[in-house]
Amino acid sequence: DAKTTQPNSMESNEEEPVHLPCNHSTISGTDYIHWYRQLPSQGPEYVIHGLTSNVNNRMASLAIAEDRKSSTLILHRATLRDAAVYYCILRDPFNTGNQFYFGTGTSLTVIP
Amino acid sequence: GAVVSQHPSRVICKSGTSVKIECRSLDFQATTMFWYRQFPKKSLMLMATSNEGSKATYEQGVEKDKFLINHASLTLSTLTVTSAHPEDSSFYICSASPLAGRGNEQFFGPGTRLTVL
Repeated sequence: DAKTTQPNSMESNEEEPVHLPCNHSTISGTDYIHWYRQLPSQGPEYVIHGLTSNVNNRMASLAIAEDRKSSTLILHRATLRDAAVYYCILRDPFNTGNQFYFGTGTSLTVIP
Repeated sequence: GAVVSQHPSRVICKSGTSVKIECRSLDFQATTMFWYRQFPKKSLMLMATSNEGSKATYEQGVEKDKFLINHASLTLSTLTVTSAHPEDSSFYICSASPLAGRGNEQFFGPGTRLTVL
């Protein structure tokens, strides 16, 4: 499986935008880029996913580089509830196993 | 929609006993469910893929006789930790992918905290 690299931790002030980077230089043409987040003592929560084009939903935006070797999750206005570990995961839907392999993720701290 | 539940949410047991954890998809059917374990301050580690009506597929290094998985229906998978020992204490999380549509997403349960004394 293609590997992702994320910073271990980031900080943001409340109500400011946050850009969480992810590098995936070995991404294949059929890999989707998924973002999940995990609050303490909870299961991961879906945030967003995309293939080539930038994506927006009510939670966040996903900006994908033209060569797809990196992506950025954008939280437009960080709130205290956004403090979590954010995971960037690659998955190929043509892989019959459909497994997700989690990397180390980025621990986001939101400062009031 | 797309809710996954786990039961129990936390369990404390004595060393040597077996513990069963249930994972249910409440409003969708899933032919495939996944089991993860997570140690404190660490990431999720995929343990096995649970396939409805067939044997589970275990990741390398995961003992299949230690962690028994049964996927008896399209909405229920169980993980049994047999002869539990303190080193099995961990946060166990399941996930499920919907049978139809939205196949790119996985929905995660809230996790089960296992403490083995």
